[in-house]
Amino acid sequence: AQKVTQAQTEISVVEKEDVTLDCVYETRDTTYYLFWYKQPPSGELVFLIRRNSFDEQNEISGRYSWNFQKSTSSFNFTITASQVVDSAVYFCALRGAGTASKLTFGTGTRLQVTL
Amino acid sequence: NAGVMQNPRHLVRRRGQEARLRCSPMKGHSHVYWYRQLPEEGLKFMVYLQKENIIDESGMPKERFSAEFPKEGPSILRIQQVVRGDSAAYFCASSPPGTQQPQHFGDGTRLSIL
Repeated sequence: AQKVTQAQTEISVVEKEDVTLDCVYETRDTTYYLFWYKQPPSGELVFLIRRNSFDEQNEISGRYSWNFQKSTSSFNFTITASQVVDSAVYFCALRGAGTASKLTFGTGTRLQVTL
Repeated sequence: NAGVMQNPRHLVRRRGQEARLRCSPMKGHSHVYWYRQLPEEGLKFMVYLQKENIIDESGMPKERFSAEFPKEGPSILRIQQVVRGDSAAYFCASSPPGTQQPQHFGDGTRLSIL
């Protein structure tokens, strides 16, 4: 069985602060894929990043960065110099490489960025 | 280059009625997935379809729910005899073949049961 845990239910920061959203996963698959999605107040789901289990290189995209550590089964997401527009619910998700292509989502972390 | 299109955006039904939710995948995507998001919760997988085939329906309730993805036209998620507990946001996602491909989501259908 696959499981994704986002222990932080809600985080509140002041604009320009850095914030890290935690994601811990469980899977028996040796090959798998990890994803982060953003759900702004308008409700749509926006794809942010995909990471393969065999590629532990960290990734940076503008103010966003992701830290994948296979040894601790974690895939954490950091926003540098947060902005009000970053306010949203962020979901971490896991997908195995077998025929079952479904995404298993965490329960999400609600990020509130205030002025 | 249109994304995943879901309609309607909002749907209101009375208990006992039928709800039909539609999803047109992105161009070139042959795989469709349906997820349900209950209030203040994460998304839960319901069903995975390819054209004319249900590949995985392990997340679908055994009764009242059905899904199809015909050769022509959108994918349909059908809920018969709706109950209050069916109130949720229903998201459709699509992807090209290959499990490494990200799923791109539509804006969702918010279903409210009176």
